[in-house]
Amino acid sequence: AQKVTQAQTEISVVEKEDVTLDCVYETRDTTYYLFWYKQPPSGELVFLIRRNSFDEQNEISGRYSWNFQKSTSSFNFTITASQVVDSAVYFCALSDGGGGFKTIFGAGTRLFVKA
Amino acid sequence: GAVVSQHPSRVICKSGTSVKIECRSLDFQATTMFWYRQFPKQSLMLMATSNEGSKATYEQGVEKDKFLINHASLTLSTLTVTSAHPEDSSFYICSPGGRNTEAFFGQGTRLTVV
Repeated sequence: AQKVTQAQTEISVVEKEDVTLDCVYETRDTTYYLFWYKQPPSGELVFLIRRNSFDEQNEISGRYSWNFQKSTSSFNFTITASQVVDSAVYFCALSDGGGGFKTIFGAGTRLFVKA
Repeated sequence: GAVVSQHPSRVICKSGTSVKIECRSLDFQATTMFWYRQFPKQSLMLMATSNEGSKATYEQGVEKDKFLINHASLTLSTLTVTSAHPEDSSFYICSPGGRNTEAFFGQGTRLTVV
């Protein structure tokens, strides 16, 4: 069965601090996709990144970076120099490799960035 | 840009009435549509999967007679919450399946039953 675990329920940091959100996943599929989404108070899901299971290259996009390690089944997300606007709930998610994109979400991590 | 349009974004209805939520795939043909529900401060949980031209598949614990799903065309899927009750108040969000790119989601519908 597929499962996504985000052990951190809430994280509170002060602006300009770096913060890492953890994500551990379980799947028996060899082909799968991992995602991170941001959900601001409005509720809409904001897509941040998609990674397929064959691409372990880490990625950096501005202040955001992702570390994908198949050996530990982890897909962690780091925000560098956090800002108040980063305050939101962040979801790590896992989709099957069949192209259907039935998505299993982690419980989410609520990030508070204080000025 | 947005490829999924979900409507309405917010709805308040009286207990016992029905509410229809529409999800339109704007730039591709969605043979599958996933419907998720999110209760306050919880994660998104898959409710059901609709398939164009056939019956929807419901996840365990989701009442198919209460949450009617219609996927009559490749660009439109609807979710109707019948005889809504306060416990159905939630955030409902759709996602077209079958695309080999990022998973797109609708903007979500916040339903409040009073």
